[in-house]
Amino acid sequence: EAAVTQSPRNKVTVTGGNVTLSCRQTNSHNYMYWYRQDTGHGLRLIHYSYGAGNLQIGDVPDGYKATRTTQEDFFLLLELASPSQTSLYFCASSHRDWGYEQYFGPGTRLTVL
Amino acid sequence: GDKVKQSPSALSLQEGTNSALRCNFSIAATTVQWFLQNPRGSLINLFYLVPGTKENGRLKSAFDSKESYSTLHIRDAQLEDSGTYFCAGSASSGSWQLIFGSGTQLTVMP
Repeated sequence: EAAVTQSPRNKVTVTGGNVTLSCRQTNSHNYMYWYRQDTGHGLRLIHYSYGAGNLQIGDVPDGYKATRTTQEDFFLLLELASPSQTSLYFCASSHRDWGYEQYFGPGTRLTVL
Repeated sequence: GDKVKQSPSALSLQEGTNSALRCNFSIAATTVQWFLQNPRGSLINLFYLVPGTKENGRLKSAFDSKESYSTLHIRDAQLEDSGTYFCAGSASSGSWQLIFGSGTQLTVMP
């Protein structure tokens, strides 16, 4: 089973702050994803990547940047955090594309004051 | 409208009883995943399905791609089954996506 870890697990910042969320997977998966989860919604895709140096835009990308530095590591960057970005963020990975099983990290709870 | 619609949105069960959750797709889903989000917020993989049926202990899931729905059956519900169940379908609509439903919140009572 894929191992996906996220850090930090909880983060509080202020409006306008700079935040980086980290994700690492250790099962040699090619695809990695960032999702956000808000009350009343399922998970919504922010960005994804199919390999080191690659970045694809998801469904709710505004206000977010991402970078895939290695096959294992995928980062989500909020450069000017806003209260609307208060959410639970999940990272996931899969061997290949969407038709393959995705494995999720434990989540990062971000609060923007 | 919702591309992946889950029902019911919430459900309370007595311990030891059975239930069925449903996911209807308005997309041409080719695979389905079911997850349990536990009270700590972690997403636990329950099933990954191509069209067909899978069973794991007290859980059983089916996916019918032609009729565009999936079901999750819970037999002999236990307290630890409480949480929010999500289904997600993968489909190609221009580009491939995994699209989540809004979840079914299940409470199992003693």
